Amino acid sequence: GAVVSQHPSWVICKSGTSVKIECRSLDFQATTMFWYRQFPKQSLMLMATSNEGSKATYEQGVEKDKFLINHASLTLSTLTVTSAHPEDSSFYICSARDWGGPDQPQHFGDGTRLSIL
Amino acid sequence: GQNIDQPTEMTATEGAIVQINCTYQTSGFNGLFWYQQHAGEAPTFLSYNVLDGLEEKGRFSSFLSRSKGYSYLLLKELQMKDSASYLCAVRRLRSGSARQLTFGSGTQLTVLP
Repeated sequence: GAVVSQHPSWVICKSGTSVKIECRSLDFQATTMFWYRQFPKQSLMLMATSNEGSKATYEQGVEKDKFLINHASLTLSTLTVTSAHPEDSSFYICSARDWGGPDQPQHFGDGTRLSIL
Repeated sequence: GQNIDQPTEMTATEGAIVQINCTYQTSGFNGLFWYQQHAGEAPTFLSYNVLDGLEEKGRFSSFLSRSKGYSYLLLKELQMKDSASYLCAVRRLRSGSARQLTFGSGTQLTVLP
């Protein structure tokens, strides 16, 4: 089955640091990947849609200069949280859809737990 | 906009059957997904409905009525490991955008021995 790998799984860093999260589709090509954020006991909120070779599409209220997305290849998308602050602490999850057809579900990475001190 | 409603919590007994309901309001409906999420982990795909009716997959079944904006996930022969959050997600078509999922808040299911 389709596998999505996300790295790192856990990050603890000081306020003001920039953090990069990688999302890779291991056994399929993904022209589109999705980045979500999930706060404790809440559902997944879509942050942005990452498109290979073009700019990401951000959801309303998500700062594109704060959350930089790069989708340089068909198997890799990165999310960089720039100048992170404690309020950015959250569970970040990426997903990708295998282009086996429109009925294919999104497959999720294992998530990255980000804690900003 | 979109509105997806599902119960916040449910409790059931091991070996029993439980039905988790989901109602939605959306334009450009393009399918409904159910995911299972254990605490601290990423969601895993359970089922998908795009046409009305019942889809069965082992102990899990999912039903969709597009006219009513309603779906349910049915879990049979409950096991302790089924204790998790169950997320209802609606996919919609948006012009110029890839098919995106919008998630409900999730239903936390607790299976008791």
